[in-house]
Amino acid sequence: GAVVSQHPSWVICKSGTSVKIECRSLDFQATTMFWYRQFPKQSLMLMATSNEGSKATYEQGVEKDKFLINHASLTLSTLTVTSAHPEDSSFYICSAILADTQYFGPGTRLTVL
Amino acid sequence: AQSVTQLDSHVSVSEGTPVLLRCNYSSSYSPSLFWYVQHPNKGLQLLLKYTSAATLVKGINGFEAEFKKSETSFHLTKPSAHMSDAAEYFCVVRGYSSASKIIFGSGTRLSIRP
Repeated sequence: GAVVSQHPSWVICKSGTSVKIECRSLDFQATTMFWYRQFPKQSLMLMATSNEGSKATYEQGVEKDKFLINHASLTLSTLTVTSAHPEDSSFYICSAILADTQYFGPGTRLTVL
Repeated sequence: AQSVTQLDSHVSVSEGTPVLLRCNYSSSYSPSLFWYVQHPNKGLQLLLKYTSAATLVKGINGFEAEFKKSETSFHLTKPSAHMSDAAEYFCVVRGYSSASKIIFGSGTRLSIRP
């Protein structure tokens, strides 16, 4: 149990386009999901907390208009990187809470050309 | 306020020898502590967690960790390293409730020598 999936696992896009990343809890319901960003050889940086049926809570310094989060159901949260630029290239990881513990997705590698 | 410090950025051991990855935490109340492992270009996998039950916690793949309140430590150990253990390890402290944010350590890269 406690499997979290992400789609796609990797994506390459042109500068100025938007990219949507999905995070799903496959075998449980999650009212709260988290989105992280990880730079090479660094730890994870929390971007936002996604709450089902309400607005996401963004960390300081994270642009909410650039990183749109939607948590429309108990098993799905989406992160849309709008008007992507090369500096948005990164590894994005989501997590969901089950029984007191965060379980992480496999990550999505975004490369913006 | 909470924080977590991983004392070694890189640990290298020979296959078959013990592993020790060190973690110290700071918390104003009884913390929940976790160890996660990340293989290259992969997500994080939960190794074990401490949530105020037994102080010696056993996890997957032969890993265990001991919560020592007097030393504010939660070191990760394994009696005998395997080549497949080579990865990045993160010590994590969590806030009061299960929906609280978690604080990551900076990570320790474990290398295994043949």
